[in-house]
Amino acid sequence: QKEVEQNSGPLSVPEGAIASLNCTYSDRGSQSFFWYRQYSGKSPELIMFIYSNGDKEDGRFTAQLNKASQYVSLLIRDSQPSDSATYLCAVNGGGAQKLVFGQGTRLTINP
Amino acid sequence: DTAVSQTPKYLVTQMGNDKSIKCEQNLGHDTMYWYKQDSKKFLKIMFSYNNKELIINETVPNRFSPKSPDKAHLNLHINSLELGDSAVYFCASSQGGYGGNTIYFGEGSWLTVV
Repeated sequence: QKEVEQNSGPLSVPEGAIASLNCTYSDRGSQSFFWYRQYSGKSPELIMFIYSNGDKEDGRFTAQLNKASQYVSLLIRDSQPSDSATYLCAVNGGGAQKLVFGQGTRLTINP
Repeated sequence: DTAVSQTPKYLVTQMGNDKSIKCEQNLGHDTMYWYKQDSKKFLKIMFSYNNKELIINETVPNRFSPKSPDKAHLNLHINSLELGDSAVYFCASSQGGYGGNTIYFGEGSWLTVV
């Protein structure tokens, strides 16, 4: 089992709709969870981080964490074509001093 | 000002050659990393240094040798390059290296081995 798993997509969403991106992780001791966005040919950039169970909102983005289910998600409301990118879920490896990334979900917003 | 800068951005070289990628960060962070992203976009950590000390050394061939002369610099030297080394190599930094802190990435170095 991979440490961090994401559906690689592609995920197609019409403009203005809600895009939902999901991620599961294997290490129950993980404490920190991050979502990065990566445009084609560019470096990953941080969108949000979440440490506690529940929802965390930042503008059009909402991160959701459920530690019991080992599940973290990212919702993008009012999706825009500029949101088209690969979204990487990253989880700290519990006691390990590193951040482990999922394989990323490619999201396409259709005008 | 670029926070994490790495050079060169593009590198095309022949099998068997030795090459280096340099990285510098001006964020004042104490931890630096090298990540490798393969053709399937999978981003995997290779090395992590905290205050010039090697913290993480994942299962990476010993042809790869990182060097950190100070906490603002982390270079990557690769000996005897192989076709499978073709990838994008990202340098990154964070304040604190315990996996719970935001990592900032450089722009990447596209390595092609022919």
